[in-house]
Amino acid sequence: DTGVSQNPRHKITKRGQNVTFRCDPISEHNRLYWYRQTLGQGPEFLTYFQNEAQLEKSRLLSDRFSAERPKGSFSTLEIQRTEQGDSAMYLCASTPTGGRNQGELFFGEGSRLTVL
Amino acid sequence: GENVEQHPSTLSVQEGDSAVIKCTYSDSASNYFPWYKQELGKRPQLIIDIRSNVGEKKDQRIAVTLNKTAKHFSLHITETQPEDSAVYFCAARPGGYQKVTFGTGTKLQVIP
Repeated sequence: DTGVSQNPRHKITKRGQNVTFRCDPISEHNRLYWYRQTLGQGPEFLTYFQNEAQLEKSRLLSDRFSAERPKGSFSTLEIQRTEQGDSAMYLCASTPTGGRNQGELFFGEGSRLTVL
Repeated sequence: GENVEQHPSTLSVQEGDSAVIKCTYSDSASNYFPWYKQELGKRPQLIIDIRSNVGEKKDQRIAVTLNKTAKHFSLHITETQPEDSAVYFCAARPGGYQKVTFGTGTKLQVIP
C-alpha cells in the first residue's frame, strides 16, 4: 500500500496520560500536515512540515502538543497530559510539491483518540 | 488567517436531482480551492479542485465555479445517485503550499 499510513488507528487513554501518533506519508511527498477533526466538523489545521522543517503551527495548538519529522520522512504527534477535549480524530496528510497532483492533500485513515 | 464558510450544513435531494453547495472565503490571497468528499468512517478524498485563473471546471457529473470578486465558490452535482451521499468539505489555500483551511462540511443525503 503506497498511501498515507497512520497508527495506532484507535487509542483510548486516561486523562493526564501522554499519547503519540505516527504518520508515514507517501514516500515522494515532502510536505506533511496534521489536522484534527471532531464529529460534524471540518478538518482543523494543526501544523505542517516541509521535509524536516516545521513551517507553521496553529495557535490553537497548546504547549501540550508537539510534532516532529526528524528525517523528513515519518512524523510523530505527541500530546502530553491529555484532556477530555483532546478527544478527536487526528488526520495526517501529505502532498507533492510538483507534478500532476501538486498541492492535493492525500489523507491517512486517521488516529482516533478517546480520553476518558 | 483564512476563514471558510460553507452552506448548507445538511442537504437532502431526491435521486436524479441536482445538489449545490456554496462556500465563501476571506483571504484574497487564496488561489486554490479543493473539494473533498468524506464517507462515513473514511478519510477525506479530493473530488475536484479549481485554481484562481479558472472560473469553472467540470468532471462528469461534478462541476465547481469560482467568483474571485465575490470570494465565493460552489460545488454542483448533477443527476445525484445514492453513492453521492457523504459529507462534502470545501477548502481554500493561499499561494505556495501553505495550510489548507476547510469549511465545516455539508452532509448530503440522496434519497432513492
